[in-house]
Amino acid sequence: DGGITQSPKYLFRKEGQNVTLSCEQNLNHDAMYWYRQDPGQGLRLIYYSQIVNDFQKGDIAEGYSVSREKKESFPLTVTSAQKNPTAFYLCASSISIQETQYFGPGTRLLVL
Amino acid sequence: QKEVEQNSGPLSVPEGAIASLNCTYSDRGSQSFFWYRQYSGKSPELIMSIYSNGDKEDGRFTAQLNKASQYVSLLIRDSQPSDSATYLCAIRKAGAGSYQLTFGKGTKLSVIP
Repeated sequence: DGGITQSPKYLFRKEGQNVTLSCEQNLNHDAMYWYRQDPGQGLRLIYYSQIVNDFQKGDIAEGYSVSREKKESFPLTVTSAQKNPTAFYLCASSISIQETQYFGPGTRLLVL
Repeated sequence: QKEVEQNSGPLSVPEGAIASLNCTYSDRGSQSFFWYRQYSGKSPELIMSIYSNGDKEDGRFTAQLNKASQYVSLLIRDSQPSDSATYLCAIRKAGAGSYQLTFGKGTKLSVIP
């Protein structure tokens, strides 16, 4: 069963804590992306990766970090430097960087 | 001027009617255009993509692109209550930065039974 999975569905973060959101795909897609969605706002790009072991900052990368050690996986870490992390986080992938993007189910991050 | 603009709605239409969703964009170099549907609390799912001027039809959905006027629209014929969702317009520019999709804030559609 092909697709994009994200875990957990809900995540709670305490002040000063780093948390990692998981994104896995078995579509054999080269490119992967992380977006953030706030209420009433469009999706904003955090990081993207064209290929394994390569990633680039998007529009709002401050306070976030990523890695791309495997083609299937693109985890996002929300660091304590991100002062307003409460949002809906969406992972997407595409066959290549210029192809149509498909989204995973999302992770909702809340701050305690 | 915002890069991608959509009327936030809500747009209310009766069941069976045609729903018309509009999106305007500022960058004339934009080359690829997408409509995503997002149900409340869920992730966006691709409805249609369009790359050249004119109409593209897929079932009850028709995407219309007019690059000269810099707008793209989505028509939903025979609207159903299950079409009630937020519709996101997304645009990819040409050239440098063509990896990036720029999203509008979305239009909330409500189909009234």
